[in-house]
Amino acid sequence: QKEVEQNSGPLSVPEGAIASLNCTYSDRGSQSFFWYRQYSGKSPELIMFIYSNGDKEDGRFTAQLNKASQYVSLLIRDSQPSDSATYLCAFLARGTSYGKLTFGQGTILTVHP
Amino acid sequence: DAGVIQSPRHEVTEMGQEVTLRCKPISGHDYLFWYRQTMMRGLELLIYFNNNVPIDDSGMPEDRFSAKMPNASFSNLKIQPSEPRDSAVYFCASSLAGSGYTFGSGTRLTVV
Repeated sequence: QKEVEQNSGPLSVPEGAIASLNCTYSDRGSQSFFWYRQYSGKSPELIMFIYSNGDKEDGRFTAQLNKASQYVSLLIRDSQPSDSATYLCAFLARGTSYGKLTFGQGTILTVHP
Repeated sequence: DAGVIQSPRHEVTEMGQEVTLRCKPISGHDYLFWYRQTMMRGLELLIYFNNNVPIDDSGMPEDRFSAKMPNASFSNLKIQPSEPRDSAVYFCASSLAGSGYTFGSGTRLTVV
């Protein structure tokens, strides 16, 4: 089993819709979770992080974490064409690898007008 | 803060040449990471440092790759000799323990 698995893409949604990006992880010791956005030809940029079970909202973005189900998701409300990018989830584990993020393979999102 | 600074932005070199990629992390960050990204393999962690000490270099593809962090404000990644299969975007990132990374703009390496 891969350490981090993201929903297979590419994902295409119409402008104004809700885009839902999902991620499951295998390490129950994971304690922090991050969502990165990467535009084509650019570097990944951090857009959300979440540590506690439940929802965390920031503008049009909502991160949801369920540690019991080992599941983290990112919802983008009122999707815009400028949200078209690759979204990477990542987690930070405890233990000897502390400090190192484990990344998923990414989900390509396209928002069409 | 200027963020993580990488140089050069683009590098084109001939097979067999030595390539040096450079990174200046964010001041105060205690972790530094080198990643390689390709379409086929995604983001691959090559090596990371904590307080200038290499912690895990298991991702370094082979002995042709080496990385150093002589002080808290500089790291370099060397490939000698370079091969066409090394062509990729190389990212440096830094962080404070327990927080997310900040990535540099990357170096696009092409080996011909």
